[in-house]
Amino acid sequence: SQQGEEDPQALSIQEGENATMNCSYKTSINNLQWYRQNSGRGLVHLILIRSNEREKHSGRLRVTLDTSKKSSSLLITASRAADTASYFCATVFSGGYNKLIFGAGTRLAVHP
Amino acid sequence: GAGVSQSPRYKVAKRGQDVALRCDPISGHVSLFWYQQALGQGPEFLTYFQNEAQLDKSGLPSDRFFAERPEGSVSTLKIQRTQQEDSAVYLCASSLIAGTRGNQPQHFGDGTRLSIL
Repeated sequence: SQQGEEDPQALSIQEGENATMNCSYKTSINNLQWYRQNSGRGLVHLILIRSNEREKHSGRLRVTLDTSKKSSSLLITASRAADTASYFCATVFSGGYNKLIFGAGTRLAVHP
Repeated sequence: GAGVSQSPRYKVAKRGQDVALRCDPISGHVSLFWYQQALGQGPEFLTYFQNEAQLDKSGLPSDRFFAERPEGSVSTLKIQRTQQEDSAVYLCASSLIAGTRGNQPQHFGDGTRLSIL
């Protein structure tokens, strides 16, 4: 079974707009990671945020983590058509073997 | 450097046949993971190796699924007596360092798409 849920399931925007995806999870975590998957390809790591961090930036990406609400958000600013992909959050539990527990993902379509 | 390589990229098998899926992790990576991804879903954990030791196989759906990594590098996921519900994409991932804190990314291959007829 999967850890949590992502919202929305699908998102369609125009180039230049911002895209926000949300992720909720159920149990305590060590860290939360966001991955991107292009159709027919493997997952590419985007950003990792530790449980004691609240916000992290990487280029056009901004991730927030609220452990009290067990939720995270991924913001992509100034989106491009090349950002079209599925985005997954994944959690890592304390004391485990670093296995990733994924949500169902958000499918983002950015139109030129 | 080369990334994680998986073969074959596509595999079609008849129900009841055995299949073997191969993963070549990034050289020197200690940790290796297998995930199963159903259509339209996120990946689900199957099993984990630290070098040649299989430390977690809690995600394997049945005893028809078997994984090995005998020399601590290449890994093979074998599915015996395949069923239609085994149809999925099987993803392999590796990471550099073993440990329980998990503060490192995993590097994924492009997966093997398995179709059982």
